[in-house]
Amino acid sequence: DQQVKQNSPSLSVQEGRISILNCDYTNSMFDYFLWYKKYPAEGPTFLISISSIKDKNEDGRFTVFLNKSAKHLSLHIVPSQPGDSAVYFCAASAPPNQGGKLIFGQGTELSVKP
Amino acid sequence: GAVVSQHPSRVICKSGTSVKIECRSLDFQATTMFWYRQFPKQSLMLMATSNEGSKATYEQGVEKDKFLINHASLTLSTLTVTSAHPEDSSFYICSARVTETQYFGPGTRLLVL
Repeated sequence: DQQVKQNSPSLSVQEGRISILNCDYTNSMFDYFLWYKKYPAEGPTFLISISSIKDKNEDGRFTVFLNKSAKHLSLHIVPSQPGDSAVYFCAASAPPNQGGKLIFGQGTELSVKP
Repeated sequence: GAVVSQHPSRVICKSGTSVKIECRSLDFQATTMFWYRQFPKQSLMLMATSNEGSKATYEQGVEKDKFLINHASLTLSTLTVTSAHPEDSSFYICSARVTETQYFGPGTRLLVL
């Protein structure tokens, strides 16, 4: 049972344009969401997070939007840069009765072309 | 802040031997750390939750006697792969939690020959 889904395995964007990475979840009890960036053979790097009491959080070029009614969140990167090319994972923080662990999506590989 | 280190970064061992991987929180104390495993082209799979001063909580399907976890201090958790076999070859990553955010170590590549 995949509680967090990233339906696009890959995304290709031109440098300078906007990258939009999408994520859907099924458990309405999730109350905190995070995005991580990962290069091959490295650990994930925390990018940005959002609490369920908000619908938007912005940090520089990165903005995360949360639509609770649709159980959907997205990460916008603008403008996209070649150095943004990596695999992006969204994650949901499980409720305390599930140990507060993170549940990850399958990841979306972003390629930003010069 | 929130830096997590892992040691070693890569290790090659013979089948049947045991390997210990260390995970340290460098600039903060972590009562809870997590151990993940990643197979090629796949997402991170949570293996266990490591709690300082108590037994680890293992995810379903993870053998606790094969993957020994010790969280003896607020800055160190260790994962020992006992009697390693080639199918244990993988990329192992730890994380430490600060409030609701997990910060990850750089990972350890294990190759069992």
